[in-house]
Amino acid sequence: EAGVTQFPSHSVIEKGQTVTLRCDPISGHDNLYWYRRVMGKEIKFLLHFVKESKQDESGMPNNRFLAERTGGTYSTLKVQPAELEDSGVYFCASSGGAGQPQHFGDGTRLSIL
Amino acid sequence: GENVEQHPSTLSVQEGDSAVIKCTYSDSASNYFPWYKQELGKGPQLIIDIRSNVGEKKDQRIAVTLNKTAKHFSLHITETQPEDSAVYFCAASEGGSYIPTFGRGTSLIVHP
Repeated sequence: EAGVTQFPSHSVIEKGQTVTLRCDPISGHDNLYWYRRVMGKEIKFLLHFVKESKQDESGMPNNRFLAERTGGTYSTLKVQPAELEDSGVYFCASSGGAGQPQHFGDGTRLSIL
Repeated sequence: GENVEQHPSTLSVQEGDSAVIKCTYSDSASNYFPWYKQELGKGPQLIIDIRSNVGEKKDQRIAVTLNKTAKHFSLHITETQPEDSAVYFCAASEGGSYIPTFGRGTSLIVHP
């Protein structure tokens, strides 16, 4: 069984540019989560999809972040325009149900210059 | 909202020693406590979890204890090996959402 896959693994962009991160969950997992870890701090929840619907987006920092999951399969997280404080590692996780263990991808390391 | 404190931030032990990582949480409604191990360049991997109706859970060399009254839980690793070196995160969540609030992580270094 393939795990959660994230693309790209690294991204370096300049302030003001746009970046799109992609997450492919484990096949059949309806629940998909996005998290972010800023250097040395805790992993923070961003949002939760159940299939294509946003179940909880209370962790999204501001309206420069847009997450989508069209068709209920893969998800994208777009940052537009990127700011310096957006740097960090963005993790995606999926689970078969809300009470089941979450399986994490290896993350996308985003650096804003 | 929930707040999870994790200590220590760095833990260095000799191979064969035990390692203990401690976490406290603030929300008495939290009832699910997973622990994750993150190796370099990889994502966090669930290694053990405990629910509030259980005080202790063990899986080979790792064990987790929970004290709901004091709102703290701990990870114990016995007979540490170099491959146990990683960053460990504790987390707490309320059963309705299962959205975890993470601690800041503990970097465990096991010296051969």
